[in-house]
Amino acid sequence: GESVGLHLPTLSVQEGDNSIINCAYSNSASDYFIWYKQESGKGPQFIIDIRSNMDKRQGQRVTVLLNKTVKHLSLQIAATQPGDSAVYFCAENKGAGKSTFGDGTTLTVKP
Amino acid sequence: DTAVSQTPKYLVTQMGNDKSIKCEQNLGHDTMYWYKQDSKKFLKIMFSYNNKELIINETVPNRFSPKSPDKAHLNLHINSLELGDSAVYFCASSLSSYEQYFGPGTRLTVT
Repeated sequence: GESVGLHLPTLSVQEGDNSIINCAYSNSASDYFIWYKQESGKGPQFIIDIRSNMDKRQGQRVTVLLNKTVKHLSLQIAATQPGDSAVYFCAENKGAGKSTFGDGTTLTVKP
Repeated sequence: DTAVSQTPKYLVTQMGNDKSIKCEQNLGHDTMYWYKQDSKKFLKIMFSYNNKELIINETVPNRFSPKSPDKAHLNLHINSLELGDSAVYFCASSLSSYEQYFGPGTRLTVT
């Protein structure tokens, strides 16, 4: 079956350090991947996306890496701040209305 | 300015009751979704509609029935509520297969 999973359910980092959140997916036919951030009491919010014809995409303080060979996706957050504390989800899209979310990683930033 | 709105935000009800959650988006998106998030933060898709047509109907009890009167609305009706239905329900919308915009969630508590 298909699944999208994150390697670690929790991650704790020191403020100012870089964070890396990982995700493994199983459907090699997926062509579009998205990272979402969910703060406490709110709905998930789009952070960054990447298409399968790319290996890397950068945003503001965030970078997504895609390794199709091993079906692995990662989200790197530079200079992590307290406001980055949240649950992070990876998701794969397989067409309109069809997306699968990973289990989520809770990132805690220590001051 | 609210992009995706849900009502109510909190819903407390007794077992056996029937309740509805409403969702509206003003983004002009053609695809809408309902997700269930449990206490462990697992985000599971329940239904998705593309241009008012049901695309995804995951393994959800038939006590749950979505209704999409138009592309901007997707309501969720739940019959004979059970304790296990307690969760946070998120509505989301997207333009085709692009990133999804989530509502603030409806916390359903069944007693």
